[in-house]
Amino acid sequence: NAGVTQTPKFQVLKTGQSMTLQCAQDMNHNSMYWYRQDPGMGLRLIYYSASEGTTDKGEVPNGYNVSRLNKREFSLRLESAAPSQTSVYFCASSYSGTDTQYFGPGTRLTVL
Amino acid sequence: AQSVTQPDIHITVSEGASLELRCNYSYGATPYLFWYVQSPGQGLQLLLKYFSGDTLVQGIKGFEAEFKRSQSSFNLRKPSVHWSDAAEYFCAVGAAGGSYIPTFGRGTSLIVHP
Repeated sequence: NAGVTQTPKFQVLKTGQSMTLQCAQDMNHNSMYWYRQDPGMGLRLIYYSASEGTTDKGEVPNGYNVSRLNKREFSLRLESAAPSQTSVYFCASSYSGTDTQYFGPGTRLTVL
Repeated sequence: AQSVTQPDIHITVSEGASLELRCNYSYGATPYLFWYVQSPGQGLQLLLKYFSGDTLVQGIKGFEAEFKRSQSSFNLRKPSVHWSDAAEYFCAVGAAGGSYIPTFGRGTSLIVHP
């Protein structure tokens, strides 16, 4: 089992460019999450998907969109990147909202 | 809504010394509590979790944590720290029903001196 995989690992964008971060899990989990991690801020939830076909906003959703493509895949899109979106992005999955979360290795994004 | 506080941003210990990382939570009912560890450049990995039952929870890598309802705390302990324990540690609190997505603390960075 690969667990949770994320692509790409690193990305540099210019302000205004768009991109999609991909996440996939092979553990048959129902719930998937996108977090961003900034120094001194811990992990902040951007969006989550409690089950296939549903998505909900987290603490910091502005500037992002998500798609739960199927049970395995949950993508995060930046339509018009801003320097404030420079961060490390983590995808996670769990069987349910109260269960252990399994994290991917992260995507380090820099917006110039 | 639940919240979690990790009062220490950095903790420095010598290898072989004991360790305690503090975590305080705010939630009206019995919470679900987690400790995760993040090694440099890696994602987070679960160390241990508390849902119910015995308030002293054993985890991986020799870590344990104790749930103290009266103090709203879930402190992480290890009797003897190894250099490989140097990492970022996150406490998280979740709740059954409603907004059950766990809320993470800001993390404590553990530095281990030889």
